[in-house]
Amino acid sequence: AQSVSQHNHHVILSEAASLELGCNYSYGGTVNLFWYVQYPGQHLQLLLKYFSGDPLVKGIKGFEAEFIKSKFSFNLRKPSVQWSDTAEYFCAVNAPAGGSYIPTFGRGTSLIVHP
Amino acid sequence: DTGVSQDPRHKITKRGQNVTFRCDPISEHNRLYWYRQTLGQGPEFLTYFQNEAQLEKSRLLSDRFSAERPKGSFSTLEIQRTEQGDSAMYLCASSLGTANEKLFFGSGTQLSVL
Repeated sequence: AQSVSQHNHHVILSEAASLELGCNYSYGGTVNLFWYVQYPGQHLQLLLKYFSGDPLVKGIKGFEAEFIKSKFSFNLRKPSVQWSDTAEYFCAVNAPAGGSYIPTFGRGTSLIVHP
Repeated sequence: DTGVSQDPRHKITKRGQNVTFRCDPISEHNRLYWYRQTLGQGPEFLTYFQNEAQLEKSRLLSDRFSAERPKGSFSTLEIQRTEQGDSAMYLCASSLGTANEKLFFGSGTQLSVL
């Protein structure tokens, strides 16, 4: 079964700092990759996704992620964070499992941005 | 508003009692997922439906847990003989069902077992 590892569990930054959150997955075949975000008091929502084509994908609010197949990675980046980016960030992989596609999530990264 | 609604938002119960949660997905979505999330962890897959058929269940899912999706519309998740370890946020999500489609999540049901 596939697994997803997020290396940074808690990140604290000041506004305008750059952000990179790591995500590695275990499945060796074709995958669909996602980053979801959960703002305080809100439901999980999609930040960006990759399923084919350009490995550098752009999402909402200035976020981007790069798929590096050789490293089984899909790291999330933002050049300059804002206080409003304070949230939980989850990497997810959608890969075949027993004939089905079941999205598997990492444990998440809690990001706190100080104004 | 994502369009996925869950009821109730919070449930407090005593150990040993049965509880049932409801999820109403986005109407045109044929896939419906149940996840469980505890503090400091990501969503953990429990089960999913393609229309009314339950196609996959987590091997970690106790037989005290059962889910239904009659007529391929809303879904219910029942936990029998609740235990304190069942305390968690139970999330429902729906999608159009292709592998590259995103999930639309509800706000979840927070279960506390005393």
